[in-house]
Amino acid sequence: QKEVEQNSGPLSVPEGAIASLNCTYSDRGSQSFFWYRQYSGKSPELIMSIYSNGDKEDGRFTAQLNKASQYVSLLIRDSQPSDSATYLCAVLHEKLTFGTGTRLTIIP
Amino acid sequence: DAGVIQSPRHEVTEMGQEVTLRCKPISGHNSLFWYRQTMMRGLELLIYFNNNVPIDDSGMPEDRFSAKMPNASFSTLKIQPSEPRDSAVYFCASSFDRGADEKLFFGSGTQLSVL
Repeated sequence: QKEVEQNSGPLSVPEGAIASLNCTYSDRGSQSFFWYRQYSGKSPELIMSIYSNGDKEDGRFTAQLNKASQYVSLLIRDSQPSDSATYLCAVLHEKLTFGTGTRLTIIP
Repeated sequence: DAGVIQSPRHEVTEMGQEVTLRCKPISGHNSLFWYRQTMMRGLELLIYFNNNVPIDDSGMPEDRFSAKMPNASFSTLKIQPSEPRDSAVYFCASSFDRGADEKLFFGSGTQLSVL
């Protein structure tokens, strides 16, 4: 079992809709959770971090964490074409482990 | 600040040649990471340094790979001899401190092609 699992996609969402990205992790001792966005041919950049159960909102982005289910998600409201990218889930326990990413395409 | 600076951006070499990738972290950051990214395996941590000291090199694939950080502003990742399966994008990243808030800043990466 991979330590951090994501659906590779591609996930296609109409412009203006909500995009939902999911991630599961195997290490129950994980303490911090992150979402990075990576545009094609570019480097990853951090967009959200979450440390406790529940929701964390930042603009159009909401991160959700459920430690009991070992599940992290990212919601993007009012999706824009500029949100088209690969989204990487990262989990920290002793070292930061990345999932392989979900490729998101916003359809105008 | 210019961010994390990597060189070269692209490297094409022949199997068996030595390859050296370079990285300058953000000034003031005390942790530096080398990652390799491929379609199949995603982002893999190769090695990380804290205060210029290698802390975890368990991700280094084999003895052909070596990394150094002689000072706080420079690190190298060397592959000798290189093989076609080493073809990937290699990212260097730095962070202010190693802790629960692991915010990494990535360089632009080096696209390595070994023919």
